[in-house]
Amino acid sequence: KAGVTQTPRYLIKTRGQQVTLSCSPISGHRSVSWYQQTPGQGLQFLFEYFSETQRNKGNFPGRFSGRQFSNSRSEMNVSTLELGDSALYLCASSGGGVNEKLFFGSGTQLSVL
Amino acid sequence: GENVEQHPSTLSVQEGDSAVIKCTYSDSASNYFPWYKQELGKRPQLIIDIRSNVGEKKDQRIAVTLNKTAKHFSLHITETQPEDSAVYFCAVQSQGAQKLVFGQGTRLTINP
Repeated sequence: KAGVTQTPRYLIKTRGQQVTLSCSPISGHRSVSWYQQTPGQGLQFLFEYFSETQRNKGNFPGRFSGRQFSNSRSEMNVSTLELGDSALYLCASSGGGVNEKLFFGSGTQLSVL
Repeated sequence: GENVEQHPSTLSVQEGDSAVIKCTYSDSASNYFPWYKQELGKRPQLIIDIRSNVGEKKDQRIAVTLNKTAKHFSLHITETQPEDSAVYFCAVQSQGAQKLVFGQGTRLTINP
């Protein structure tokens, strides 16, 4: 079974631009979560989608948004990029039930110049 | 909200010795506690997890213990090997909340 796939692997953007990251979950998984990883703040939860609905949201500004499609694939968008948005963005999938194991993709490394 | 403290931030042990990493959490409603291993440039990989109705779980050289009263849980790695070198993260999930709150990570180095 294929794992969680994230594209692109690397991105370089400039301040003020917007970016869209993509995530394909493990086949059969209906929940997709997004996390931001930085050396200073560690792994922080952005949001979680299940059956095309956002179920949970972390403490990030409205510039960070996401969506999920009917095939469970998910995208996250960051608008008006800031230098501090430079990070590894990790997507994770699970079946969506209580306390189910979360499996991570390899992430998208975003650099904002 | 939930707060997770992980110690130590770095740990260096001799090959063959044991390593222990400890995490404490604040929300008594938390009921799921996974551990992830992240090698340099790679994805976090789930290595073991425990639920609140269990006190200890083992998988070969890895074990996790949970003390719900004290709100802490620990990762134990025995007979360490060079390939155990990585950053280890503990995480906590509260019942009904489909999100993980992570500790700050422990960089484990195994010295040959």
